[in-house]
Amino acid sequence: EIVLTQSPDTLSVSLGEGATLSCRASQSVSITYLAWYQQKVGQAPRLLIYGGSRRAPGITDRFSGSGSGTDFTLTIARVEPDDSAVYYCQQYAHDGRTFGQGTKVEIK
Amino acid sequence: QITLKESGPTLVKPTQTLTLNCTVSGFSLSTSGVAVGWIRQPPGKALEWLALIYWDDDKRYSPSLRSRLTIAKDTSKNLVVLTMSNMDPGDTATYYCAHLPLVPGAASYDAFDIWGQGTMVTVSS
Repeated sequence: EIVLTQSPDTLSVSLGEGATLSCRASQSVSITYLAWYQQKVGQAPRLLIYGGSRRAPGITDRFSGSGSGTDFTLTIARVEPDDSAVYYCQQYAHDGRTFGQGTKVEIK
Repeated sequence: QITLKESGPTLVKPTQTLTLNCTVSGFSLSTSGVAVGWIRQPPGKALEWLALIYWDDDKRYSPSLRSRLTIAKDTSKNLVVLTMSNMDPGDTATYYCAHLPLVPGAASYDAFDIWGQGTMVTVSS
């Protein structure tokens, strides 16, 4: 089973600044099968990025995804108060789908 | 508009079998390129994928929980059912079902794009 490790566990960002979230896989993952989700307190997750870098419908271009192989990144530009949430990466491989442990983004 | 809604017991006893329903609308479970998955989240913890069922009735399970899980669908009722046997307090979680589009080139390909609101299940005697 592929393990996804996200870093940092918590990221404190000032309003208007950028944020970089990391997701590292224990084995190589096809970018086609790497997704990012946002989960706010008390809510279901929301898909942000699929295929490693493609924004889901309705997602602002302040969110962008990149990476390849075992290292993937979610970047949030010009952080806003509404971006306060936990962010999860998720992969699909032949043996199933796994999520990372999440990165909590706090807004200063 | 695609929607999913989970339903089932809020409390089960250890060793019992949990049965959860996911009622879907806005799409057909038999349409080519459609799948529905189950994901759970213990309180304060991360998401964990459990199972997936495809339009053609193919199924996939989490390797660590495979022996305890069964996923099935009833297309006529727009229903996906997940059963989990031998429940344990460690299975206490919010259980979500989610839509997974599998049409190559389509938006949100092979990612959980629409989620239900989730249903909280507590395992306790």
